[in-house]
Amino acid sequence: GAVVSQHPSRVICKSGTSVKIECRSLDFQATTMFWYRQFPKQSLMLMATSNEGSKATYEQGVEKDKFLINHASLTLSTLTVTSAHPEDSSFYICSAMLNTEAFFGQGTRLTVV
Amino acid sequence: EDQVTQSPEALRLQEGESSSLNCSYTVSGLRGLFWYRQDPGKGPEFLFTLYSAGEEKEKERLKATLTKKESFLHITAPKPEDSATYLCAVQAMGNNDMRFGAGTRLTVKP
Repeated sequence: GAVVSQHPSRVICKSGTSVKIECRSLDFQATTMFWYRQFPKQSLMLMATSNEGSKATYEQGVEKDKFLINHASLTLSTLTVTSAHPEDSSFYICSAMLNTEAFFGQGTRLTVV
Repeated sequence: EDQVTQSPEALRLQEGESSSLNCSYTVSGLRGLFWYRQDPGKGPEFLFTLYSAGEEKEKERLKATLTKKESFLHITAPKPEDSATYLCAVQAMGNNDMRFGAGTRLTVKP
């Protein structure tokens, strides 16, 4: 199947700093990528849809100024958590669509201390 | 609003003890229903896509079925390595994004 690479897999940052997470489709081009957040023992919650060359579409309740999404090329989308706080600690996962199937990255465990 | 409900929340089986996981859904026009496996600390791994009622797909010890209201993931003679969280998701017509259920945490004891 198609491969989606997410980096870093784990990151610890200090409260108030910003963190960037990368999502790459390695063997296909993805005009649309998705960012999810997952709390322990809960399911994936869609945060935003990332569209190449245009602004991301955010789900209700997700602060677009806090979670900055950039989809600058057909193989790369980035999520920047700005001014991170402990409550932003979570597991962030990206996915990219190929035809009708979604392929997921390995996830990024963010811990804000 | 699209909704996905999975049951049970957790399931413990003995090795070789077959069972089924349920995914009930409501969606305004189903484009596809997806099953994923997720191991702790990792992203979901694709298992199956089902598109229409009556469709069935199999892969090793897993078999997925679909009706107009629900999907089942049947696990035949499970092994400890089948232990994981199984996620169900639906995609509505005209949309690319997916809505996920809360998952079923499966534990298979040797």
